Amino acid sequence: AQKVTQAQTEISVVEKEDVTLDCVYETRDTTYYLFWYKQPPSGELVFLIRRNSFDEQNEISGRYSWNFQKSTSSFNFTITASQVVDSAVYFCARDSNTGKLIFGQGTTLQVKP
Amino acid sequence: DAGVIQSPRHEVTEMGQEVTLRCKPISGHNSLFWYRQTMMRGLELLIYFNNNVPIDDSGMPEDRFSAKMPNASFSTLKIQPSEPRDSAVYFCASRPPGTGYEKLFFGSGTQLSVL
Repeated sequence: AQKVTQAQTEISVVEKEDVTLDCVYETRDTTYYLFWYKQPPSGELVFLIRRNSFDEQNEISGRYSWNFQKSTSSFNFTITASQVVDSAVYFCARDSNTGKLIFGQGTTLQVKP
Repeated sequence: DAGVIQSPRHEVTEMGQEVTLRCKPISGHNSLFWYRQTMMRGLELLIYFNNNVPIDDSGMPEDRFSAKMPNASFSTLKIQPSEPRDSAVYFCASRPPGTGYEKLFFGSGTQLSVL
């Protein structure tokens, strides 16, 4: 199976620290998309970013940044100056060539005040 | 704009009972997905529809589970008979037409507890 692996099950940081969430994926496809979703305590899954396999340009959006490295099949996510409201479960996902998202197991981030 | 609407929000039932979960996708979206989330297995795809037609139901656990999409604005996921191991959060998601790589929009989920 072409898996998505989030090796970090839980991360705990103190507010204002930077934190990086790791994601490694497997694929045999040449064209694919990678995603990050956030699941706050309310439970709903919120889309954060989508990146296609041809675009390795890293992206910064406010306090969020993403590092896509095709050579290592990684798509890591960094939160700068974390805040308590960032506490959530974060999911990395990959779109298979059949059109369905394959999710990693998720990383629970706890940001303490 | 209304997002993906799921009902009920919470469902508590007894083993052996029939459970029906409902989903209204975002208007104009042509793909619909049912996911199940548990601590043990994480988020797993059960089935997805494209233009109301089931495309991949390989994730449906067994014959007790069935899903329908009679029209573009409504889908159901039915469990009959329900078992305690079916307890999970069930998410419905929809996706707009396009290349097939557009983002999914998720509903709030249905928390199912089978006693």
